[in-house]
Amino acid sequence: GEDVEQSLFLSVREGDSSVINCTYTDSSSTYLYWYKQEPGAGLQLLTYIFSNMDMKQDQRLTVLLNKKDKHLSLRIADTQTGDSAIYFCAERDYGQNFVFGPGTRLSVLP
Amino acid sequence: SQTIHQWPATLVQPVGSPLSLECTVEGTSNPNLYWYRQAAGRGLQLLFYSIGIDQISSEVPQNLSASRPQDRQFILSSKKLLLSDSGFYLCAWSVQANEQFFGPGTRLTVL
Repeated sequence: GEDVEQSLFLSVREGDSSVINCTYTDSSSTYLYWYKQEPGAGLQLLTYIFSNMDMKQDQRLTVLLNKKDKHLSLRIADTQTGDSAIYFCAERDYGQNFVFGPGTRLSVLP
Repeated sequence: SQTIHQWPATLVQPVGSPLSLECTVEGTSNPNLYWYRQAAGRGLQLLFYSIGIDQISSEVPQNLSASRPQDRQFILSSKKLLLSDSGFYLCAWSVQANEQFFGPGTRLTVL
């Protein structure tokens, strides 16, 4: 079946860039997403990229997609303490389902 | 604008008791609706999704059931809770299905 993998933890210093990586197996993925979950809250959609794109930038966020390697990354520039959260990668195929990775817990150190 | 509500926000229930979690969406019509469970420290597991009234698909065999009695209402139920049903339950909706939006979640603790 479809699978989405992420490393579980990442620590960075405040002001540095964070790069969160994700790999997926479904070659028919149409959209790929990054969600942010703060403690005790639901998921907030940060950004998404269509599968025929290889990069999308939105303020401090840059998404890179390597479709050949089925690799997605989220770069957060000038990481702040408010960026500490769990970040979920997700993919959607031609069906109605979204498949989520296990989430990467980002800790921003002062 | 569209909003999604879940209640209750937190719930503590004994083993063997029934469960009913409710999710409602405002500001959109005929959304796809989803129930996910997030166990402590783990990712999201899709439990049910619905493309219309009374149209429910189950992703995993389990102790839970879902119903959609109205277009924008999605209910997650159980007749007898198990300890393993504890977790954070998230409802989500999508239209056109290129974006999915989540509710605030319900934290269920089964004792």
